[in-house]
Amino acid sequence: GQQLNQSPQSMFIQEGEDVSMNCTSSSIFNTWLWYKQDPGEGPVLLIALYKAGELTSNGRLTAQFGITRKDSFLNISASIPSDVGIYFCAGPYEGWAGNMLTFGGGTRLMVKP
Amino acid sequence: DVKVTQSSRYLVKRTGEKVFLECVQDMDHENMFWYRQDPGLGLRLIYFSYDVKMKEKGDIPEGYSVSREKKERFSLILESASTNQTSMYLCASSFVGALSYEQYFGPGTRLTVT
Repeated sequence: GQQLNQSPQSMFIQEGEDVSMNCTSSSIFNTWLWYKQDPGEGPVLLIALYKAGELTSNGRLTAQFGITRKDSFLNISASIPSDVGIYFCAGPYEGWAGNMLTFGGGTRLMVKP
Repeated sequence: DVKVTQSSRYLVKRTGEKVFLECVQDMDHENMFWYRQDPGLGLRLIYFSYDVKMKEKGDIPEGYSVSREKKERFSLILESASTNQTSMYLCASSFVGALSYEQYFGPGTRLTVT
């Protein structure tokens, strides 16, 4: 089946630094989603992208839908301690007309105050 | 705001017990999903439902069953719990329609089978 590859798998950064992570797919997507999961909680939807080339912001977060439709990027500016968590990308599950998602393996972000 | 609730945050069960995990959403969503999350394996879909009494298998349905008797409620059942079912279980829901890929998750149930 299709796979979503997220990188990096983990990041340990200083508070105030900018963060970049990306997600690539083996197939073309028409939707990209980015989620954040706080420790011990369920994932929360951050940004949804529906059009190739689209750039969407949510506060300090900016996500882009890659032109090739096989990748997406998430940037966090001026990181703060509460940015700690796991960030997941997700896209439509191949071969099913319904609403299933496939998820990347996640990027674990750690922020040093 | 969409709210998805799960019946327990933490659960400890013995091997062989029948386990029920309950999920309720309050946004009249048609779709509901059960995932399990394990370190290094990400989120894996167990079952999903697109309507009352309708269900489809996901990637890892073995050892699980589901029930959806009401639109707002989706139950995951472990018929005979085993230690390899120790995991974090996440429920999610979504609309059918233009924004249908946007799934909203509950807080999760951390199940330990001893």
